[in-house]
Amino acid sequence: NAGVTQTPKFQVLKTGQSMTLQCAQDMNHNSMYWYRQDPGMGLRLIYYSASEGTTDKGEVPNGYNVSRLNKREFSLRLESAAPSQTSVYFCASSDIGTEQYFGPGTRLTVT
Amino acid sequence: EDQVTQSPEALRLQEGESSSLNCSYTVSGLRGLFWYRQDPGKGPEFLFTLYSAGEEKEKERLKATLTKKESFLHITAPKPEDSATYLCAVQGPGNTGKLIFGQGTTLQVKP
Repeated sequence: NAGVTQTPKFQVLKTGQSMTLQCAQDMNHNSMYWYRQDPGMGLRLIYYSASEGTTDKGEVPNGYNVSRLNKREFSLRLESAAPSQTSVYFCASSDIGTEQYFGPGTRLTVT
Repeated sequence: EDQVTQSPEALRLQEGESSSLNCSYTVSGLRGLFWYRQDPGKGPEFLFTLYSAGEEKEKERLKATLTKKESFLHITAPKPEDSATYLCAVQGPGNTGKLIFGQGTTLQVKP
């Protein structure tokens, strides 16, 4: 039982490049979330998927897109990376109204 | 606007010196308050959920309490391995499961 897994662990991009962050959970949770964590800003919600087949914007969605591929997988795409997107990205999953379980994070640097 | 404020930002304790971390919140219709622990370079790890004023939860040296405006995380006789950042989050009304996080309190326990 791996919980929530994320790939890659580290990534360096140049401004304008694109990439997809992958997330998978094996807890049969309905809901999945993408956060970014920046020093002094705490965890901020980018996008979430309350259930398979639905996605919604969170607090900071600009510059990102998401895909809920199936119940297990939720990906985050940066179409044209900017230095302001340098951050640590966390994926989480939960059942509605219960605690969220987080992955180990992806550390992204955009130069 | 829903908001979570944690204090202090940083706390240094000697081993065995008990203290409390504060989480003040403003949310229209609290569905749950969550405490997480985060070690450097890792994802947040779930500790407790509190649902209503007066509720208390305990785990080893940690005890979480909840009032209508704030939550406390009491640490009794801490050990160096309790050193981490402690995050508080609230879930408001609706069925999205979205959390609003505070900025965290970084605890250092010296031997």
